[in-house]
Amino acid sequence: DGGITQSPKYLFRKEGQNVTLSCEQNLNHDAMYWYRQDPGQGLRLIYYSQIVNDFQKGDIAEGYSVSREKKESFPLTVTSAQKNPTAFYLCASSIDSRPPSTQYFGPGTRLTVL
Amino acid sequence: QKEVEQNSGPLSVPEGAIASLNCTYSDRGSQSFFWYRQYSGKSPELIMSIYSNGDKEDGRFTAQLNKASQYVSLLIRDSQPSDSATYLCAVLTSGTYKYIFGTGTRLKVLA
Repeated sequence: DGGITQSPKYLFRKEGQNVTLSCEQNLNHDAMYWYRQDPGQGLRLIYYSQIVNDFQKGDIAEGYSVSREKKESFPLTVTSAQKNPTAFYLCASSIDSRPPSTQYFGPGTRLTVL
Repeated sequence: QKEVEQNSGPLSVPEGAIASLNCTYSDRGSQSFFWYRQYSGKSPELIMSIYSNGDKEDGRFTAQLNKASQYVSLLIRDSQPSDSATYLCAVLTSGTYKYIFGTGTRLKVLA
C-alpha cells in the first residue's frame, strides 16, 4: 500500500528534551511538508522540502529542525528552544510543489510536554 | 501575508439537506484549490480539488470556484451524520508554492 506513515502516534516530552518525529512516504513524491495544528486552529507550516537535500523554513520554524537525506524520509526535531511544543504534528507530501499538485497527509503525531 | 478565510461555524444542517461551505482567498495568482475533511483527532483527508472556474462534481460533493471573486465553495448534497467533521479549505499559492489552509468550518449534520 502506498502512503505516508508517521511515528510515534503519541509522544511525551519533558522540559529541555529534544524529540524527533518520523515521517516516511512510499509515494515517490518529491515534496514533503511539516505542519503544526493547535486546538481549534488551522494548519501552520513549519518546514517544507521540494527536493532531497534541500528544505525551506515555513511560517513557524523557530525551535524546529529538519533533514531530507532521502526522498522518502523527512524527520522533524522539536528542540528545547520550542517553548510551547504541545500540538498535533502533521506530515504531508505531494508529487511536487507546482500546480496542480495535491497534498496528502500522514496520520499525525500528538506531542505533549509533561 | 497570503490568507485563506473560512467561517468557523458550527454549521448545523438536518440530515438529507444540502450543506454549503465557503472559503475566500487573498492570493489572486493561486491556481489550485482543495477541500479536506478532518474528523476530530484525525488527519485531514482530501475530498475535492479544483483548478478551473466553475463546478466540479464527485458523488455527493460539488466544488465551485470563482477566481474573479477569489471564492471557493463546497456543497454536500444529502448530508449524512457521518459528514459531521471540520472542513478545511486549502490554496496552493503562487510564487513560493506553499499551501495555505483556512482554520476550517465545523459541520454538524443532525439526525
